[in-house]
Amino acid sequence: DAGVTQSPTHLIKTRGQQVTLRCSPKSGHDTVSWYQQALGQGPQFIFQYYEEEERQRGNFPDRFSGHQFPNYSSELNVNALLLGDSALYLCASSYRVTEAFFGQGTRLTVV
Amino acid sequence: KNEVEQSPQNLTAQEGEFITINCSYSVGISALHWLQQHPGGGIVSLFMLSSGKKKHGRLIATINIQEKHSSLHITASHPRDSAVYICAPKKSSGDKLTFGTGTRLAVRP
Repeated sequence: DAGVTQSPTHLIKTRGQQVTLRCSPKSGHDTVSWYQQALGQGPQFIFQYYEEEERQRGNFPDRFSGHQFPNYSSELNVNALLLGDSALYLCASSYRVTEAFFGQGTRLTVV
Repeated sequence: KNEVEQSPQNLTAQEGEFITINCSYSVGISALHWLQQHPGGGIVSLFMLSSGKKKHGRLIATINIQEKHSSLHITASHPRDSAVYICAPKKSSGDKLTFGTGTRLAVRP
């Protein structure tokens, strides 16, 4: 079992561009959550997907959007990138109320 | 006041020492994760517990739901335990995790 896999691992984008990050959940998991972790800070909840719908959302602007596919994989899209969007983006998957498993993260740098 | 408070924020220990990291939270929770994050970012879930105590190798986690407090203990600490340890309760009202500020642990040989 590959666990939670995220791609790409590192990414550099220019301010104003758009970015798509991808997450494949652990086998058997149906819920995917996305978190943003700025340097030196704890992760902040962005949103959670279950049954291809956004179930919960944190305090992030509409520039942050996502999608979940029928195979439970998920994408995080960020439009009109700002320098402040530079962070580690973490994906976590779970099945119902079971333990969450985290991916290695995607480090996004906006220049 | 943060919903989740961890102490200490930074901890330096000598190899072999017994280590305790504390977590207090102010919201109703259904479960609590203890997570480990190494430099470079990847997070590993060490425990998820909703009551009592769990043990895995040299790691022990306890939780007291009434007192809204959890502890992570590391016995016979080793330099490879050096990491940031994060307490992350799962609120009763939803499924998302709320993260503590983390405890940065350095174990010296």
